Amino acid sequence: ETGVTQTPRHLVMGMTNKKSLKCEQHLGHNAMYWYKQSAKKPLELMFVYNFKEQTENNSVPSRFSPECPNSSHLFLHLHTLQPEDSALYLCASSQRQGAYEQYFGPGTRLTVT
Amino acid sequence: AQSVTQLGSHVSVSEGALVLLRCNYSSSVPPYLFWYVQYPNQGLQLLLKYTSAATLVKGINGFEAEFKKSETSFHLTKPSAHMSDAAEYFCAVTQTFTDKLIFGTGTRLQVFP
Repeated sequence: ETGVTQTPRHLVMGMTNKKSLKCEQHLGHNAMYWYKQSAKKPLELMFVYNFKEQTENNSVPSRFSPECPNSSHLFLHLHTLQPEDSALYLCASSQRQGAYEQYFGPGTRLTVT
Repeated sequence: AQSVTQLGSHVSVSEGALVLLRCNYSSSVPPYLFWYVQYPNQGLQLLLKYTSAATLVKGINGFEAEFKKSETSFHLTKPSAHMSDAAEYFCAVTQTFTDKLIFGTGTRLQVFP
């Protein structure tokens, strides 16, 4: 595998379910990001991890819980989501946090029913 | 606060015609600027970046962008559009090596035969 991978690519879940999104980067980077992409809205940065430490939480509801066990893996744990949480969730990585180019995964298309 | 504005949410061109996608930024200090492309069902891919070196930046797939401080612009161009260029294009800005990327709302490029 190369670059940034995300699994699953598609996820349908009910509002009472618990699921997790997984991201893995094979680039030797030290910063990882979660973004939410909704139709007709700019990309919304959700969380940033730099050297495994969370450095940014962009006022994200607690029903989204990130986890970064090491610099190569990032998870987003989901529980009791709302229909408005349906979106494309993108993971990205960069050499370090900041003005370095970010490399994106293909995303997980989440539908909350 | 820094921001980017992408003029035109949709742009349509004929194959072989000039592509011009507009991006204006707002930043109180010299910015770092990026263009990303998103093909259907994929994540974002870096096209090119400006980090205060040459003002004319060449990227992948024949795209280039020119940083114009006097106009606070970073427009993306390609001399001759190809059908495979049909995608959504995002402009992004950041200021320092600790700041996050701020994305525009995107411009969808359609290429007609």
